[in-house]
Amino acid sequence: DSGVTQTPKHLITATGQRVTLRCSPRSGDLSVYWYQQSLDQGLQFLIQYYNGEERAKGNILERFSAQQFPDLHSELNLSSLELGDSALYFCASSVAIGATDTQYFGPGTRLTVL
Amino acid sequence: GDSVTQMEGPVTLSEEAFLTINCTYTATGYPSLFWYVQYPGEGLQLLLKATKADDKGSNKGFEATYRKETTSFHLEKGSVQVSDSAVYFCALSFNQAGTALIFGKGTTLSVSS
Repeated sequence: DSGVTQTPKHLITATGQRVTLRCSPRSGDLSVYWYQQSLDQGLQFLIQYYNGEERAKGNILERFSAQQFPDLHSELNLSSLELGDSALYFCASSVAIGATDTQYFGPGTRLTVL
Repeated sequence: GDSVTQMEGPVTLSEEAFLTINCTYTATGYPSLFWYVQYPGEGLQLLLKATKADDKGSNKGFEATYRKETTSFHLEKGSVQVSDSAVYFCALSFNQAGTALIFGKGTTLSVSS
């Protein structure tokens, strides 16, 4: 158990819909990262927050957004969903802002768009 | 841009066989290098890392040496077990704000008894 929790574990929805994925980092960790894992794209970094502020942006679509709240949990919002958004979404947390610090991954949320 | 290339799997071995999973990288600058492992149905876990050239990372019998001259970070284990069956990801990152892990495609290892 990494100490990072993600909810829900599975999500099935239809095209055009909007969903919210939630992540609680390990106690004491200030950085939260979001990754998307799909068969064709592999594991892709989406976005990083550090202590409530956005610090790095990767291959995140404009239809996706995220935020980190004062209690340090984070949410990833995916809207106008397309079939190609079906993937496993991971959250990871670390103590520091730099990416060389060990990142602890949650179990993931599997999103299926029908 | 920065990238990581891993050998394609799946890699299928018998228990106690020697394992090598090749990983090479392309990067501007001097990244830190990582191996993460993903067991079925779970998230990724850090297996080992190295932060500078010639460093050797090791954990649970796995080893990898940061080779700047060949831009490689190959993962090795002398004697694999069935419980090592998983997907292994090589990754790099830089210790500066605004960066994140860049992963290879992953290599599936299947070990049979």
